[in-house]
Amino acid sequence: DTGVSQDPRHKITKRGQNVTFRCDPISEHNRLYWYRQTLGQGPEFLTYFQNEAQLEKSRLLSDRFSAERPKGSFSTLEIQRTEQGDSAMYLCASSLGGGLGETQYFGPGTRLLVL
Amino acid sequence: GNSVTQMEGPVTLSEEAFLTINCTYTATGYPSLFWYVQYPGEGLQLLLKATKADDKGSNKGFEATYRKETTSFHLEKGSVQVSDSAVYFCAPYNNAGNMLTFGGGTRLMVKP
Repeated sequence: DTGVSQDPRHKITKRGQNVTFRCDPISEHNRLYWYRQTLGQGPEFLTYFQNEAQLEKSRLLSDRFSAERPKGSFSTLEIQRTEQGDSAMYLCASSLGGGLGETQYFGPGTRLLVL
Repeated sequence: GNSVTQMEGPVTLSEEAFLTINCTYTATGYPSLFWYVQYPGEGLQLLLKATKADDKGSNKGFEATYRKETTSFHLEKGSVQVSDSAVYFCAPYNNAGNMLTFGGGTRLMVKP
């Protein structure tokens, strides 16, 4: 079990550019989540997938944000036309879903800085 | 949806002191409850969890009891160590929305 991995770990971009992050969940996990964490705050839910289906999206996820999980394994989160307010840590988590008290396992995160 | 109130930090303690970090929540129904910990420079890790009323989660000397009557899940440890210095997050799981709702986190600093 190699855990949840995320790539890149750090990204610096200029306002208006597009960025894409990747998440590789724990191999047998069918659920995958994206959260955003700003400095000094707790993570906030963005969206989640069960297998390849995106089942829930937060109102935080503006139309500049899109997430995919095409084969039910890895996922990508793209932010188009980045804004300085998008600067945050983007966290991915996975779980073997469906049971009471399912545990989400988090990756190390991708820290985004928009200049 | 769920919401969480955690005691604000930082909490500064001497080694071997008793720790309590308060957490109360509002939720529809009876969510599962989690404490996650974030050590400096590391990702979020599950510390402990409880899935129903009166359950006690425990790990690494930390404990928390699911109190339905007071909608609380306070974290306790009898004797903290310097290595416990981290940020602690309380998080109920929203069964309907399939998401964790995190509190703002409580930074714990333990001095030798």
